[in-house]
Amino acid sequence: DAGVIQSPRHEVTEMGQEVTLRCKPISGHNSLFWYRQTMMRGLELLIYFNNNVPIDDSGMPEDRFSAKMPNASFSTLKIQPSEPRDSAVYFCASSSRLTLGNQQETQYFGPGTRLLVL
Amino acid sequence: DAKTTQPTSMDCAEGRAANLPCNHSTISGNEYVYWYRQIHSQGPQYIIHGLKNNETNEMASLIITEDRKSSTLILPHATLRDTAVYYCIVRVETEGSARQLTFGSGTQLTVLP
Repeated sequence: DAGVIQSPRHEVTEMGQEVTLRCKPISGHNSLFWYRQTMMRGLELLIYFNNNVPIDDSGMPEDRFSAKMPNASFSTLKIQPSEPRDSAVYFCASSSRLTLGNQQETQYFGPGTRLLVL
Repeated sequence: DAKTTQPTSMDCAEGRAANLPCNHSTISGNEYVYWYRQIHSQGPQYIIHGLKNNETNEMASLIITEDRKSSTLILPHATLRDTAVYYCIVRVETEGSARQLTFGSGTQLTVLP
């Protein structure tokens, strides 16, 4: 299993540019999460999907951020326009549905995308 | 999800057991205790979880007190590769629904040679 795949691994861009981060979850997983990590705020959830449907986007900072999951094997997180304060490591994670008798939801994280907005 | 409290940092000698404490005094009966860790420059990694009973797997052991208000993660023979930030997370599990993980500040464990 390749695990959660994220691209690009590193991104350097200038303020005002559009940034698109990509994620391929583990095959068979039906939940996908986008987290952001900064020194100041630690790891925080941005948005998550169950069965390709956004469930909670309350962590999305503002309208400049948008996320889509057009199918079970792909998701994007877009920032337009980007700002220096968006500089962070963005993690994607996936998990499978809990079933009766299996009370464990392990989230598997990708390697992250390190974004620097100048 | 109940709030957790962990020490900011701990050191451990290589080859010795590392015992990482976590307080969760407001935990409710249907909340599980999860441990994740994050090695520098990597994504968080699941370690172990439990509800009431002590648990052991190939990575670690989890000891939960009888009143469930605190727990300890034990790495029996710490190696340099165990140097990481360890997160204790308490959460309710809902069958059929995934939910986010709420990360605190965690404990920076440094394994010393």
